[in-house]
Order: sequence, then C-alpha cells, then structure tokens
Amino acid sequence: GESVGLHLPTLSVQEGDNSIINCAYSNSASDYFIWYKQESGKGPQFIIDIRSNMDKRQGQRVTVLLNKTVKHLSLQIAATQPGDSAVYFCAEWQAGTALIFGKGTTLSVSS
Amino acid sequence: ETGVTQSPTHLIKTRGQQVTLRCSSQSGHNTVSWYQQALGQGPQFIFQYYREEENGRGNFPPRFSGLQFPNYSSELNVNALELDDSALYLCASSRTSGRAGETQYFGPGTRLLVL
Repeated sequence: GESVGLHLPTLSVQEGDNSIINCAYSNSASDYFIWYKQESGKGPQFIIDIRSNMDKRQGQRVTVLLNKTVKHLSLQIAATQPGDSAVYFCAEWQAGTALIFGKGTTLSVSS
Repeated sequence: ETGVTQSPTHLIKTRGQQVTLRCSSQSGHNTVSWYQQALGQGPQFIFQYYREEENGRGNFPPRFSGLQFPNYSSELNVNALELDDSALYLCASSRTSGRAGETQYFGPGTRLLVL
C-alpha cells in the first residue's frame, strides 16, 4: 500500500557536521509533509513542514527539500549538535484527519 | 514543551483486561488525535475526535474507543487487551481538524505493557 518510508534506519555523524536524513513517499497525491523529532521518553516534536507547491523550506539550522518528481524529501541539519541526537520521522498528511508516519531514522551525534 | 499532558506515564495490564488512558490538550485546541507507536516503529493513527465526536479512524478494531470532553481532556479506552497492544500511546492536539498545515502537538505518551 502507499506509505511514507525512510532510506536508512540509523545515521551517525560528528558534532559540527551537516546531517541529511532522507524519506521516500509513494502517494503522489500527498500535498503536505512534516518532519518530527522524537527524543527518548518523549512524544514527537514538530521540526518543520513543507507543502507540495514548494521545493525547499528553511528553518533555524534545518532545511527540508521536496522532490516531487522522484517522490523524495530530505531533512538537512546544519552544524549538528549532540542535542540533535534523536529519532527523526517524516510524516505525510492524509486528507481528512491523519498523519501517516514512516519508520524513523535514528541520528547519533558524537562529540 | 507542547502543553499536552498524558497519564499515566506507564501501565502494566494482563491480557483480557480493559484500560483507560487520559490526555489533556492545549487550551483552545478542539481536536485530539490518538496514535499507537510500537517499539521501533512510527506512530500509527488510531482515531481523531473533533468537538467531542469521532472524526476519522485508522485501521483499528472497535475495542479501541475514545471520548473527548469540553474541558480539553480526552480518553482512549481499549477493551479485551491483547499482547500486541503493548506500545506507546500518544495523543496529539490541534486547533482544528481536517486541514493540512494544522500542526499537531504531541504529549509524552503512555507506555502500556500487556502481559
């Protein structure tokens, strides 16, 4: 069935490096995507979102890129810090009510 | 912090029992959604309540039910617990329903273990 998924389950980076977390989606009708960060013992925390009429959106140290041609989105974190260590989920908004989440990528930042 | 709280934080039940989980939404948020997150997986949508009525449901059986109250609190009830119900249960509140771009704010979750 159609779903949101992630390319890699884990990503390890050094403090100060840039991180790129990828996500592939299969529902070509999707028009809204969100990245969430989930730290151990906590609920998902909103990071940044993007609509399908955009290719790129920037926040503080984070950038989301959307490539509708290949149905791919990515989250870029600049100057990664130890506090960025968490599980990152992309989510697709399903018309009506629900967020559809992928399985997540665990980001580990070593200093 | 999101202003969304859940109770209890942890719970242990045995198969066949019933459980009630509670959520307190942000003030002014009239929509609450519930998700189940199995270990190592992303959250899965259970259902949503808008102005005290169910407003959408995921692929979960009727033994999963809910209530929403006028004071921004809500409940998730699960009857006839099964081992596979062991998971983190998350509630998320938003200002309104059914509109893309309406941010959902998640609580910390309730960890349920069914033995």
